[in-house]
Amino acid sequence: GAVVSQHPSWVICKSGTSVKIECRSLDFQATTMFWYRQFPKQSLMLMATSNEGSKATYEQGVEKDKFLINHASLTLSTLTVTSAHPEDSSFYICSARGLAGDYSYNEQFFGPGTRLTVL
Amino acid sequence: GQNIDQPTEMTATEGAIVQINCTYQTSGFNGLFWYQQHAGEAPTFLSYNVLDGLEEKGRFSSFLSRSKGYSYLLLKELQMKDSASYLCAVRGRNQAGTALIFGKGTTLSVSS
Repeated sequence: GAVVSQHPSWVICKSGTSVKIECRSLDFQATTMFWYRQFPKQSLMLMATSNEGSKATYEQGVEKDKFLINHASLTLSTLTVTSAHPEDSSFYICSARGLAGDYSYNEQFFGPGTRLTVL
Repeated sequence: GQNIDQPTEMTATEGAIVQINCTYQTSGFNGLFWYQQHAGEAPTFLSYNVLDGLEEKGRFSSFLSRSKGYSYLLLKELQMKDSASYLCAVRGRNQAGTALIFGKGTTLSVSS
């Protein structure tokens, strides 16, 4: 159990276009989803936290108008990179946490990641 | 501020034991996690400590001392497939509440 999927697994786009990444919890309800970004040989940097039905909370230094996050249901969150530029090329990983009291509450389960390359 | 430190790289041989240390200073503390990450893949959960002491799970053990802000991951009977990055993460307090904050990871290379 506790599977998180991401789509697409990789995407190549032209500079200036927008890219949407989907994150789904397949077999549990994710009250909270997190979006991380990882540059080569660097660790995961938390970008934002989203709770179902409410606006995402962004970490310091992350542009909320550039990285749009929607957490429309307990199983789906989306990250849209708007007007992407080459410096946005990175590995984007989502993570989900379940309901309080659920066996998975103490853990964050990670999706397989999306490799974004902006030309 | 939040700061999580771990060595950048370590090397070991098959069958050996290796200890990866992690020190942390975070806003709030709600548990310490260790994850394994192979290149280009998402992290996979290894262990979770919220109380002081040692947690053992097969070949992997993790230790926590909250007063010292210190943890280690112990890997026994190393295998080639253990070559990976090991991430120490603390559930602290971020802008929204409690998320995992990661250290930079320790790249472990296991040779025969």
